[in-house]
Amino acid sequence: AQKITQTQPGMFVQEKEAVTLDCTYDTSDQSYGLFWYKQPSSGEMIFLIYQGSYDEQNATEGRYSLNFQKARKSANLVISASQLGDSAMYFCAMSYYNNNDMRFGAGTRLTVKP
Amino acid sequence: DVKVTQSSRYLVKRTGEKVFLECVQDMDHENMFWYRQDPGLGLRLIYFSYDVKMKEKGDIPEGYSVSREKKERFSLILESASTNQTSMYLCASSLSGQGSGELFFGEGSRLTVL
Repeated sequence: AQKITQTQPGMFVQEKEAVTLDCTYDTSDQSYGLFWYKQPSSGEMIFLIYQGSYDEQNATEGRYSLNFQKARKSANLVISASQLGDSAMYFCAMSYYNNNDMRFGAGTRLTVKP
Repeated sequence: DVKVTQSSRYLVKRTGEKVFLECVQDMDHENMFWYRQDPGLGLRLIYFSYDVKMKEKGDIPEGYSVSREKKERFSLILESASTNQTSMYLCASSLSGQGSGELFFGEGSRLTVL
């Protein structure tokens, strides 16, 4: 099964600054998708952004962008102009195109300071 | 509005009891998943199903079984609950096929085994 690594258990960022959450993955397959989810203290899982392994451009969704470096097998999430409401757990996840089971990393707890 | 509904938000059971966690989705999704979430470990896949009556083991299937008799319903069964199964259980569903198979999550079921 694919292995996802998030090395930052916790991160702090000042409001209005940008922050990068790290994610690396381990696979020999060429066809896969990478995902980021946000889990606020309420517990719901919110899908943020998706990157396909064959996508040439980095994915962006509003203030979220995914810094995809295929050779390094990394898929870092960049949040620009952090807001207090961005304080949450963030999970990186991966699934294969031909097998939709999804595996998650251990998560990073982001705290935005006013 | 798409919805994944888990039958119980909070359960307290005794060691040795049989526990049923029910999950229903109304999106006609082929894939359904059960994860458990523990601090520092992220979401770990217990079982998933890509079709009615089909199931695949995830990374931590020991002590669990599943049932999918209808497309919209995926049940997680703890045959004999143990204290180390105290956790948050998350059900999710997704469409099959290539590309962005984002997961849609239920609200979670917090199980305490005494």
